[in-house]
Amino acid sequence: GENVEQHPSTLSVQEGDSAVIKCTYSDSASNYFPWYKQELGKRPQLIIDIRSNVGEKKDQRIAVTLNKTAKHFSLHITETQPEDSAVYFCAAKGYQLTFGKGTKLSVIP
Amino acid sequence: EAQVTQNPRYLITVTGKKLTVTCSQNMNHEYMSWYRQDPGLGLRQIYYSMNVEVTDKGDVPEGYKVSRKEKRNFPLILESPSPNQTSLYFCASTPYIAGANNEQFFGPGTRLTVL
Repeated sequence: GENVEQHPSTLSVQEGDSAVIKCTYSDSASNYFPWYKQELGKRPQLIIDIRSNVGEKKDQRIAVTLNKTAKHFSLHITETQPEDSAVYFCAAKGYQLTFGKGTKLSVIP
Repeated sequence: EAQVTQNPRYLITVTGKKLTVTCSQNMNHEYMSWYRQDPGLGLRQIYYSMNVEVTDKGDVPEGYKVSRKEKRNFPLILESPSPNQTSLYFCASTPYIAGANNEQFFGPGTRLTVL
């Protein structure tokens, strides 16, 4: 089955700096890569996704890049704000959706 | 309002006492699934259902059962709960469109403690 590795597990950045979270996947048939944000005590919510026919996607301060050859994809958050503090999960979908173990992002004011 | 609901939100029980966590969605989604979330392990899929009367095991199905008698409901059943099933559980649904990928909508979560 699919295996998704996510790094780092924790990340602290100063407000206004950029944050990058990286994921690798094992199943070359995976073709959908969403990112979810989970605030403390709340449910995961989709923040951005990318499909395998696209190399990069951007939505305001958030961008995701995909390298299908290397089987890795990354989340980039620019100009971080305290409200970006949360746990972020990457996922890859081949037959089923498989999640990474999560990255706890702390943005220090 | 389009949503996924779960009940109960919190449950403390004892080993061996059967329990059911309900999940319901009002979006007419075909696909529903259950996840458990444990610190450092992320979200792991327990069971999923691609439509009424169609269910299949996810990555960690041992100790759980599900049913899908109606499109909107997907209950999670623990016949004989054990302490290692103490976890945060999420139900999720998504429309199933062949060849497409869609956002999963998560319920609010059920925090289960098995003593």
